[in-house]
Amino acid sequence: QVQLQESGPGLVKPSQTLSLTCTVSGGSISSGGYYWSWIRQHPGKGLEWIGYIYYSGSTYYNPSLKSRVTISVDTSKNQFSLKLSSVTAADTAVYYCARDDSSALDAFDIWGQGTMVTVSS
Amino acid sequence: QSALTQPPSASGSPGQSVTISCTGTSSDVGGYNYVSWYQQHPGKAPKLMIYEVSKRPSGVPDRFSGSKSGNTASLTVSGLQAEDEADYYCSSYAGSHRVFGGGTKLTVL
Repeated sequence: QVQLQESGPGLVKPSQTLSLTCTVSGGSISSGGYYWSWIRQHPGKGLEWIGYIYYSGSTYYNPSLKSRVTISVDTSKNQFSLKLSSVTAADTAVYYCARDDSSALDAFDIWGQGTMVTVSS
Repeated sequence: QSALTQPPSASGSPGQSVTISCTGTSSDVGGYNYVSWYQQHPGKAPKLMIYEVSKRPSGVPDRFSGSKSGNTASLTVSGLQAEDEADYYCSSYAGSHRVFGGGTKLTVL
């Protein structure tokens, strides 16, 4: 059974770069048909799609965040990562990694537990 | 890329049915049959309840159903139970992107 686990600093200073990693267990990130995604949720608010990556490295980003976002994949470690630059307090949120099963469900079928990131000096 | 529009709240008594709407545009909801719905309990990660407008993943009760008409998708929860009280989010494919709705808090009275 595939599981996802986010990891990274819970506190980031304004103007710095937020970096998170999602480790995939129970399956290979190189399996075709899946887009590996980052989604965030501001405190008390709704979900916001950040972007996703295919195992080959193809990426798609939310246009509103595109200038600050980089998603990468490390197939040797079965991990994918998120970098969000020039953060402000508005980037304080719970960050989820999720699997987008584009080959069968066209939906986010597996989610990590989420990790809270606070942007503050 | 604007968020899909959902009512902020919905409610119903146990045993009743409630429907939550999700309105987008022809560039997302109306343009593709790739609408999904997620249930989120407080402090938990979202859970997939409906995919491709009306299909249920294994393990999701058939009390949950989905539909779509034009640019609006809907989630119906029949035979409401206490454990259905949660936030519900719709999502749609939008041409290489994904977009979410603002969420609806479902209260079981």
